[in-house]
Amino acid sequence: AQKITQTQPGMFVQEKEAVTLDCTYDTSDPSYGLFWYKQPSSGEMIFLIYQGSYDQQNATEGRYSLNFQKARKSANLVISASQLGDSAMYFCAMREKSTGNQFYFGTGTSLTVIP
Amino acid sequence: EPEVTQTPSHQVTQMGQEVILRCVPISNHLYFYWYRQILGQKVEFLVSFYNNEISEKSEIFDDQFSVERPDGSNFTLKIRSTKLEDSAMYFCASRPPSGRTDTQYFGPGTRLTVL
Repeated sequence: AQKITQTQPGMFVQEKEAVTLDCTYDTSDPSYGLFWYKQPSSGEMIFLIYQGSYDQQNATEGRYSLNFQKARKSANLVISASQLGDSAMYFCAMREKSTGNQFYFGTGTSLTVIP
Repeated sequence: EPEVTQTPSHQVTQMGQEVILRCVPISNHLYFYWYRQILGQKVEFLVSFYNNEISEKSEIFDDQFSVERPDGSNFTLKIRSTKLEDSAMYFCASRPPSGRTDTQYFGPGTRLTVL
């Protein structure tokens, strides 16, 4: 089974609107971390936001917030007030305490912001 | 802000040749990683390295791969005899001593093309 599932290969959003990128995960480990990375066309991987499995509140970092629904095993990324520079691939990733240091990545969502 | 750096940004090699991909992790980080991303696919874990030894490796990381930290700053990935299917973007990542998030910070990647 896939550890991380991103079901939206591509998304479009109007500039200044909010967009939600979906991510579901699969783990039996009670201790895990969830991460979102942005990959622009230049290729680098930019860390955006982190959510720990024991965190009581949803993570927020500027225009990024994480809608963490533990019972549903989902960790959707919400980008508010989209900007043209937000156009990129977005990857959800998970680290489980039981499996050590490696990150498991999803297949990514390509976001295009329309002016 | 400190960054992970990688050289070269693009490497072209002939099948069967050896390549060395270089990374300079963030200076106070202790955990180092290599990932690869075949074009259009998700990021895959290769290996993690801590305290001068491999701590985990994936099935992809077979005998043709090796990692080394030859001095206090560089972290290298060697592919001994490249194959066509080794063509991918290779990312180095590092993370600081144990903290709350265990976030891994990625370098800009090296695009390896095997002809």
